[in-house]
Amino acid sequence: GAVVSQHPSWVICKSGTSVKIECRSLDFQATTMFWYRQFPKQSLMLMATSNEGSKATYEQGVEKDKFLINHASLTLSTLTVTSAHPEDSSFYICSASRGTGEGTQYFGPGTRLLVL
Amino acid sequence: GQSLEQPSEVTAVEGAIVQINCTYQTSGFYGLSWYQQHDGGAPTFLSYNGLDGLEETGRFSSFLSRSDSYGYLLLQELQMKDSASYFCAVSYNTGGFKTIFGAGTRLFVKA
Repeated sequence: GAVVSQHPSWVICKSGTSVKIECRSLDFQATTMFWYRQFPKQSLMLMATSNEGSKATYEQGVEKDKFLINHASLTLSTLTVTSAHPEDSSFYICSASRGTGEGTQYFGPGTRLLVL
Repeated sequence: GQSLEQPSEVTAVEGAIVQINCTYQTSGFYGLSWYQQHDGGAPTFLSYNGLDGLEETGRFSSFLSRSDSYGYLLLQELQMKDSASYFCAVSYNTGGFKTIFGAGTRLFVKA
């Protein structure tokens, strides 16, 4: 159990376009989902915390208007990178928690974004 | 603020035991987790310590001392497939639960 999927697994887009990444908990209800970004050879950086039915909480330095997060149901959260630029190219990973984030986080397989 | 420190790199031979240390500074500490990440992949959960002491899961064990703000991951009977990056992660609650990750320790297992 506790499987999290992400779609797409990789995406290449032109600068200026928007990209939507889906994160789904397949076999459990995820009250809380987290979005991370990881640049090569670096650690995971928390971008935002997403709670079902409420606005996401963004970390300092993360533009909420650029990275739109919607947690529409207990099994789905989406991250939309708006007007993507080459510097947004990264590995985006979501994780899901049954509770409010205090327990084990189950990670999705990640989405590689390349902005040309 | 919140911070974690772990070694950047560790090298060991097959069959050996290796310990990866993690020290942290955080308010509202809740627990310490360990994750493994192979190149190109997403992190996978290894172990969690919410209380002081040792947690054992097969070849992997994790230890926590809350009074020392210190934990470690112990890998026994190392195998080549254990070559990966290992991240310690602290969960904390300051008006909402969050998890921050250390910079990661790159483990190289040699034959």
